[in-house]
Amino acid sequence: DAKTTQPNSMESNEEEPVHLPCNHSTISGTDYIHWYRQLPSQGPEYVIHGLTSNVNNRMASLAIAEDRKSSTLILHRATLRDAAVYYCILRLGGSQGNLIFGKGTKLSVKP
Amino acid sequence: EPEVTQTPSHQVTQMGQEVILRCVPISNHLYFYWYRQILGQKVEFLVSFYNNEISEKSEIFDDQFSVERPDGSNFTLKIRSTKLEDSAMYFCATQGVTEAFFGQGTRLTVV
Repeated sequence: DAKTTQPNSMESNEEEPVHLPCNHSTISGTDYIHWYRQLPSQGPEYVIHGLTSNVNNRMASLAIAEDRKSSTLILHRATLRDAAVYYCILRLGGSQGNLIFGKGTKLSVKP
Repeated sequence: EPEVTQTPSHQVTQMGQEVILRCVPISNHLYFYWYRQILGQKVEFLVSFYNNEISEKSEIFDDQFSVERPDGSNFTLKIRSTKLEDSAMYFCATQGVTEAFFGQGTRLTVV
């Protein structure tokens, strides 16, 4: 699986939007971009994934650059509960293989 | 919402003892995984399991580790002779159509 690069940490104020960037310049055409998050003392949790088009779900939005070498996870209104480590992971389409976690971005949310 | 259940939530064991960590996967999922996370470090893949056999394992998963699904429901990770460095959170995961579902983890403390 190709490598991703994320900032170590970010801060946000409660109820403001948060944009979490991820670079994946070596992404292949069949790699999907997945985002997971890990709340304190919990297991990782799926957030969203996409291939080329921007994606929205109840948790977040995923904006994918046209060349697919970067993506941004968007939390539209951060809450205190969104404080977590966010992982950007590339995964081959249709793969059942393991997820390769990096260090992720630790998001802090201030009230 | 379906969930992966792990027991126990916390296990303390003496060095050299055997431990068994248990996971109840989501019922219609076919691929199962164990990951571990040493305190303050990345989530690391240990092993994947499909059709009652190991499909992939990492370098961490040495002869001290084994997995099985003895009764068709529980999926277990056994560590035969625990070492201090086995102290970590152990997460079970199962693979859905597009995303992985993780349990809440078992915190293993080897003393």
